[in-house]
Amino acid sequence: GESVGLHLPTLSVQEGDNSIINCAYSNSASDYFIWYKQESGKGPQFIIDIRSNMDKRQGQRVTVLLNKTVKHLSLQIAATQPGDSAVYFCAENIRGYSTLTFGKGTMLLVSP
Amino acid sequence: KAGVTQTPRYLIKTRGQQVTLSCSPISGHRSVSWYQQTPGQGLQFLFEYFSETQRNKGNFPGRFSGRQFSNSRSEMNVSTLELGDSALYLCASLGQAVGETQYFGPGTRLLVL
Repeated sequence: GESVGLHLPTLSVQEGDNSIINCAYSNSASDYFIWYKQESGKGPQFIIDIRSNMDKRQGQRVTVLLNKTVKHLSLQIAATQPGDSAVYFCAENIRGYSTLTFGKGTMLLVSP
Repeated sequence: KAGVTQTPRYLIKTRGQQVTLSCSPISGHRSVSWYQQTPGQGLQFLFEYFSETQRNKGNFPGRFSGRQFSNSRSEMNVSTLELGDSALYLCASLGQAVGETQYFGPGTRLLVL
């Protein structure tokens, strides 16, 4: 899921597969990270978050992994469903500030 | 609790006009942030208001302004619209603690002709 400029990277999977969406963040001072899902015509929807004192956090069908050494974040979706089709954004937050800095996003397409 | 609401959902304006967008945060949330989303630039931070004061500001020209009312509702204004202002404008609210999750509204789609 590396950004390739103006075009969103796309991940195409089959229903039931596991999906992994990657994100490289830029600021080593960031200490809070969030994954959002955005469906067409809607605002970003919170999926899962993780703080910098953790390297893994699990939710329902989703897991976020954080590697601070290489400034890399990933979102794993288990048993991907067609309803998971959307654009996924990672966002980072720097301690002391409420501003979120967003990545470019990855489009996930799930085929039945 | 009701989510973040934004009005209007869609707007069409012409170059040179001005526009005002409105956002009502989640009940109890005192911080409102505004973001601009375009296909080319992605999601970019405009500004944040907390307790009626602008707390943070992104790198946008002075044509973009905002304010927050005592009930935490916020408005943003864009004056002298340009074609490049066409975008989805998103509002997000969060509670009092910095670093908490921000919850987004559905956005206002602005088209400048």
